[in-house]
Amino acid sequence: DQQVKQNSPSLSVQEGRISILNCDYTNSMFDYFLWYKKYPAEGPTFLISISSIKDKNEDGRFTVFLNKSAKHLSLHIVPSQPGDSAVYFCAVKTSYDKVIFGPGTSLSVIP
Amino acid sequence: EAGVAQSPRYKIIEKRQSVAFWCNPISGHATLYWYQQILGQGPKLLIQFQNNGVVDDSQLPKDRFSAERLKGVDSTLKIQPAKLEDSAVYLCASSSEGLPWSYGYTFGSGTRLTVV
Repeated sequence: DQQVKQNSPSLSVQEGRISILNCDYTNSMFDYFLWYKKYPAEGPTFLISISSIKDKNEDGRFTVFLNKSAKHLSLHIVPSQPGDSAVYFCAVKTSYDKVIFGPGTSLSVIP
Repeated sequence: EAGVAQSPRYKIIEKRQSVAFWCNPISGHATLYWYQQILGQGPKLLIQFQNNGVVDDSQLPKDRFSAERLKGVDSTLKIQPAKLEDSAVYLCASSSEGLPWSYGYTFGSGTRLTVV
């Protein structure tokens, strides 16, 4: 029973264009949403987060949008760069600071 | 500040053998997590410690997995006996009490376990 879904296992984008990664969740009680990036042979690294009381958070080239009514969030990367090629995990924070991860989307940015 | 340290980086064992992983969190971080990441899936929480007490171990297969965090600092995760389906990357993460969730928490590089 997946509480966090990332329905696109992979995504390819041309360098300089926008990358949009999507995530759906099931529980409206989650209060924080996070995105992690993972390179091969490394642990996931925190990228950006958003509180449930907001609908947008921006950090440089990265913007996360939250649509609570649809239980959907997305990560926009503009412009995409080859170094952005990695696996991106959507994650949600539950009570007791427990974090549940989605299955990930592998992003390839083509030069 | 130094990151989360994990060892070993890689381990290959035969099924039914035992194995142990070690984690040293960021200094001062009270909360420590062990995650299991099977290839093609997201990390799954196995156990969460607050200082040296267990907060959540609901997804830890207790018949074969055990974990401890003595003195509220380092932690070890043990598997005995190992099964083929335990092949995965075992990730340790830590966070500070009161850390704003705008910063998430920090993972180590993980231990890749292969059971043959």
